[in-house]
Amino acid sequence: EVQLVESGGGLVKPGRSLRLSCTGSGFTLGDYAMNWFRQAPGKGLEWVGFIRSKPYGGTTQYAASVKGRFTISRDESKSIVYLQMNNLKTEDTAVYYCTRDRDAAPYCNGGRCYWGPPWFDPRGQGTRVTVSS
Amino acid sequence: DIQMTQSPSTLSASVGDRVTITCRASQSISSWLAWYQQKPGKAPKLLIYEASTLENGVPSRFTGSGSGTEFTLTISSLQPDDFATYHCQQYHSYAYTFGQGTKLEIK
Repeated sequence: EVQLVESGGGLVKPGRSLRLSCTGSGFTLGDYAMNWFRQAPGKGLEWVGFIRSKPYGGTTQYAASVKGRFTISRDESKSIVYLQMNNLKTEDTAVYYCTRDRDAAPYCNGGRCYWGPPWFDPRGQGTRVTVSS
Repeated sequence: DIQMTQSPSTLSASVGDRVTITCRASQSISSWLAWYQQKPGKAPKLLIYEASTLENGVPSRFTGSGSGTEFTLTISSLQPDDFATYHCQQYHSYAYTFGQGTKLEIK
């Protein structure tokens, strides 16, 4: 059974760093693209970033709001995806969720590949990050 | 970024009703659209992907349709468990973007 468990959240001051972890089980982490999303209190969902699966280079992409501050990486030996968050701002306060792409391979056509859809573990509750002085 | 406009933001309905939620993309996303259901304090649950494909285990009363820029999610006969917030999301291009959400409330 596929499971994703986020951890590492907490209360942190602006300008500080935090590292979130997403531990996957029931599948081989390196075979799948993984995303991080977040949801600020009472707000909608926001995509944070993405790491491609190992066969596709394991490269990353980020939302403009976090680019240069956040870094996604993975440790396949531990089946963990990390979200390193530096220079945190109050607007980064949110519940953070990781997702696995529903399917291992993207759909590629005409030189372009389409990833996703992101699959959230419906049993998950995310990990809460509060940035406040 | 592609903007996703979802309507209505709130929908009041009764058990047994048929309801429809609309999602509009600011540019064509082909069929790269997903619908999620979210309950308070929980992660979203994938209901439909590729605009109209039902995720495994999701009841057949949920139907997705559309392509290009106009999409709908229809629930044919509301059940008590369906009262939740629904989100559409495009995964055609990064940054992935979501609609504002539709809160489905009991009338």
